[in-house]
Amino acid sequence: EPEVTQTPSHQVTQMGQEVILRCVPISNHLYFYWYRQILGQKVEFLVSFYNNEISEKSEIFDDQFSVERPDGSNFTLKIRSTKLEDSAMYFCASSETAGGASNYGYTFGSGTRLTVV
Amino acid sequence: GENVEQHPSTLSVQEGDSAVIKCTYSDSASNYFPWYKQELGKGPQLIIDIRSNVGEKKDQRIAVTLNKTAKHFSLHITETQPEDSAVYFCAAATSGTYKYIFGTGTRLKVLA
Repeated sequence: EPEVTQTPSHQVTQMGQEVILRCVPISNHLYFYWYRQILGQKVEFLVSFYNNEISEKSEIFDDQFSVERPDGSNFTLKIRSTKLEDSAMYFCASSETAGGASNYGYTFGSGTRLTVV
Repeated sequence: GENVEQHPSTLSVQEGDSAVIKCTYSDSASNYFPWYKQELGKGPQLIIDIRSNVGEKKDQRIAVTLNKTAKHFSLHITETQPEDSAVYFCAAATSGTYKYIFGTGTRLKVLA
């Protein structure tokens, strides 16, 4: 069964440092997403990406965040200057169709646990 | 703003019993309602979903019901097994938007 792959599984970084979280979506999917989950809390939407541009973003996704699809397979989330409150599990997801029109729902990766110290 | 409330936050049932998790959504335009199961250390996995033009959907031991008028939807798991133990999230989505709004999750424990 096709999978969304995320690397690394765990990243520890110092406050103020830049981090890049990497994802390989399912190959025939066109829509890509980043969500985060602070420990013990709900999964929160960050951003969606389609046709090489951001299609929707949340209030959380401020100027410190950026996304990129640098080649035909990878999808990255960059946090420019990490803060303690950025510590969370970050999930990448992909889908064939968008959000509410999904036929099959998202496929999530296993996540990257980001710890900012 | 858009919100999805989920109850209960924790649920313990004896193996073989049924489990019911309920969600309420605020956006009347929501038309797609997936349920995800998250096991420890893993990402959420889709287990069942329902669209707003359907009132109920079943897949073996799992069923989902939707009441559009009340803006409620529920997950029903029958004949629970220990491997059903996980955190379950409901979500709501709307055509024309890209995001899911997730509930706060329910930790289900199935006691052997």
